[in-house]
Amino acid sequence: GDSVTQMEGPVTLSEEAFLTINCTYTATGYPSLFWYVQYPGEGLQLLLKATKADDKGSNKGFEATYRKETTSFHLEKGSVQVSDSAVYFCALSDLSGYALNFGKGTSLLVTP
Amino acid sequence: DGGITQSPKYLFRKEGQNVTLSCEQNLNHDAMYWYRQDPGQGLRLIYYSQIVNDFQKGDIAEGYSVSREKKESFPLTVTSAQKNPTAFYLCATSDTAETQYFGPGTRLLVL
Repeated sequence: GDSVTQMEGPVTLSEEAFLTINCTYTATGYPSLFWYVQYPGEGLQLLLKATKADDKGSNKGFEATYRKETTSFHLEKGSVQVSDSAVYFCALSDLSGYALNFGKGTSLLVTP
Repeated sequence: DGGITQSPKYLFRKEGQNVTLSCEQNLNHDAMYWYRQDPGQGLRLIYYSQIVNDFQKGDIAEGYSVSREKKESFPLTVTSAQKNPTAFYLCATSDTAETQYFGPGTRLLVL
């Protein structure tokens, strides 16, 4: 079935460092791809999405490009801040277009 | 104030007890979902509903039950058959554009 694989954390970076969190997917068809962020003790918030190949989603300095040839949707940010410390989830839509399959999440800690 | 509310924030269950988690939304979304989150396992789908009076089992429905009598509400009951209920439970909604929006969650603990 459709699935998402994320790099395992935790990832620890110094403030202003460059961030990459890898995400690859397995799917039949052409799913939409998402990144969600979860701050401690809270629900998930949509960070960005892309609905077709070569689309780039972006928000709050984060970017991810839907790469069909490598089945990837890696999350990047040029300069992280302490406030970016959270757990990041990659997800894809299933064939129904309603349900989402989530990766296991990658914890990010940014130190001053 | 639009959004998704979940209550209570913390819930304690005794052995053999059924407990119900509330999820209410005023986003006018048709679809609603319940997920369970355990450390290191990401989110797993329990039940979802695409329309009032209809719902489907997700990947881990055993020991749980739901109802969808109103568009705004999708309560989840954790029954005594669920032997390991301690987890963080998240409710979500979506419109037809696939994006899901999440509530703040309920943490269930067993006494």
